Amino acid sequence: AQTVTQSQPEMSVQEAETVTLSCTYDTSENNYYLFWYKQPPSRQMILVIRQEAYKQQNATENRFSVNFQKAAKSFSLKISDSQLGDTAMYFCAFMKGEYGNKLVFGAGTILRVKS
Amino acid sequence: EPEVTQTPSHQVTQMGQEVILRCVPISNHLYFYWYRQILGQKVEFLVSFYNNEISEKSEIFDDQFSVERPDGSNFTLKIRSTKLEDSAMYFCASTVQGNYGYTFGSGTRLTVV
Repeated sequence: AQTVTQSQPEMSVQEAETVTLSCTYDTSENNYYLFWYKQPPSRQMILVIRQEAYKQQNATENRFSVNFQKAAKSFSLKISDSQLGDTAMYFCAFMKGEYGNKLVFGAGTILRVKS
Repeated sequence: EPEVTQTPSHQVTQMGQEVILRCVPISNHLYFYWYRQILGQKVEFLVSFYNNEISEKSEIFDDQFSVERPDGSNFTLKIRSTKLEDSAMYFCASTVQGNYGYTFGSGTRLTVV
């Protein structure tokens, strides 16, 4: 079974600064996908970024980028130029490669952006 | 942008009562899911549904739970006899192909009293 670990329960960052959220996972699969989801106080689950395990290039979406280290089974999220609207719970999630598989979530990291 | 719609947003029910949580997935999506999140805890998988049948279910999804896609648009989760520990946020999600990541609905907060 796959497990996802987020070792930082809470983090804070000053507005406009950069913050990195950590995630590690355990799997014996070779074909899989990794995701970061954002859950603001409204509790909506919003996809932030996605990474295919077979791609060596790290995914980037505007101010959000990942550092994917496949051998180390590490998948961290970097948020640049943090904004107040980035305040949320962030979940790392794993999915096996076949279509329609479930997401396995980590416990989440609460990020607070301070002005 | 297409959305996954869940109703109601909040439901309060007496212990032992049946509840039906409703979801309208995005119209061209093929895979449907229910997840739950007990307050302050991680998001947990309940069930996945494809081609009009359950494709996978978790150990949480016992005989008290069932899912249906009765009319080709709605996707429902029924809890037959609710317990206090069923109190949680329930999320519906759908995807056209699972590996692109899901679109989640805004959730139904279920409170069992």
